[in-house]
This record gives sequence, structure tokens and C-alpha cells, in this order.
Amino acid sequence: GENVEQHPSTLSVQEGDSAVIKCTYSDSASNYFPWYKQELGKRPQLIIDIRSNVGEKKDQRIAVTLNKTAKHFSLHITETQPEDSAVYFCAAHPGGSSNTGKLIFGQGTTLQVKP
Amino acid sequence: KAGVTQTPRYLIKTRGQQVTLSCSPISGHRSVSWYQQTPGQGLQFLFEYFSETQRNKGNFPGRFSGRQFSNSRSEMNVSTLELGDSALYLCASSLGEDLHYGYTFGSGTRLTVV
Repeated sequence: GENVEQHPSTLSVQEGDSAVIKCTYSDSASNYFPWYKQELGKRPQLIIDIRSNVGEKKDQRIAVTLNKTAKHFSLHITETQPEDSAVYFCAAHPGGSSNTGKLIFGQGTTLQVKP
Repeated sequence: KAGVTQTPRYLIKTRGQQVTLSCSPISGHRSVSWYQQTPGQGLQFLFEYFSETQRNKGNFPGRFSGRQFSNSRSEMNVSTLELGDSALYLCASSLGEDLHYGYTFGSGTRLTVV
């Protein structure tokens, strides 16, 4: 079935270092890959997304890369700051008309940025 | 503009009861999706509505149901509550038929079943 694996489950970095979170999806027809940040007690917020016809997208300190052949996509955060500490979720939108409005989420990565 | 509004924010119910949660999407958004979030299972898709029609449903028992009104507001209902239904229920709205516009999540309803 449709599945998204996310690694690592926890990640601790020093302020200023880079952080990388990796996801693998199972459905080769997946065509949209968003990343969400969820702070404690708050709603998930979209931080960046990428579509299947693009290999890389960057927004200031955040970048996402997609390897469709390997069915991998990754989130890269550079120059991390304490306010980047949160749970990050990757997700994939499976293709097909039967999957409208549906995202398959990874299990989440708890990122801790130590000052 | 106002974000996605979910009510109530917190709810405590007893096993066997039923509950109705409400979601008002961003103005102009016609697609509403619902998710259950638990520490063990993460975010799991419940169902999606567009123009008052359920277009997609996740792998949840029939006790979980929903509907969407002509103003795009959506409700979900859980009948015969079980302890395992305790979770954060999130709804998300999207502008168009195609998910590529992205979701905006509401703050969720925290349901506790005792």
C-alpha cells in the first residue's frame, strides 16, 4: 500500500549547523511532496513543497530535493536557529483520481537546535 | 483573511457516546480534508470533501463519518466512541480540486475519550 518512511525520528544539532531529513515513498505515481513544521501544541504549517516535475526547490534557509527514480525526497535546513526546533513531517500525494485530497505522511522528525 | 477554524478546541467524552467536530475552511476554499493525529500512528487521512461530495475516504471504520455543507464548512462525526479514538483531529482546506495548491491546517480539536 501507500507508505512514506521518514528518517531520522529525532535529530539534534548545534545552532548554525545544517539539518537533513530524508523520506522515501512507495507509490511511484506520487506527484506532490509538501513538508510541514509542527511546533508543540500548534497546527502543522506548510514550509515548502515540491512537485514531481522539479528536482530541487529553495526558499531562504530551506531547500527540498526530489529523486523520482529512487523515490526519495529530502529537507535541508541550513544555518539552523533555536526557533527551527519542532516536529517536521514529510508527505506525499499519491497519484490517481481515487486519491484526491489525500496526503500520506511520514512519522515525523523531532528537530532540536541547541543554542 | 481568516484561517481554518475548528471547533471545539477541546472535548472530553465517555466511551459509547458520539461526537461532532466542525471545520470552517478559508474563504473560497472548497476542499476540506480530515486527519487523525496520534503519537503512535502519526497523521492519518480520514476523508476529503469537495463541493459537498466525499471524494475519498481513508481506512477508518464506519463509525467515522463526515459531511460538507454548501458553504464548504465540514463536520465529522464519530459514533460509539472508543478509548482509542482519543486524538487530535485536524482539518485542512485547499483552494482547488488539485491538491497542488497545498493544504492549510486548522488548529485541531483535541478529543479525549474516558
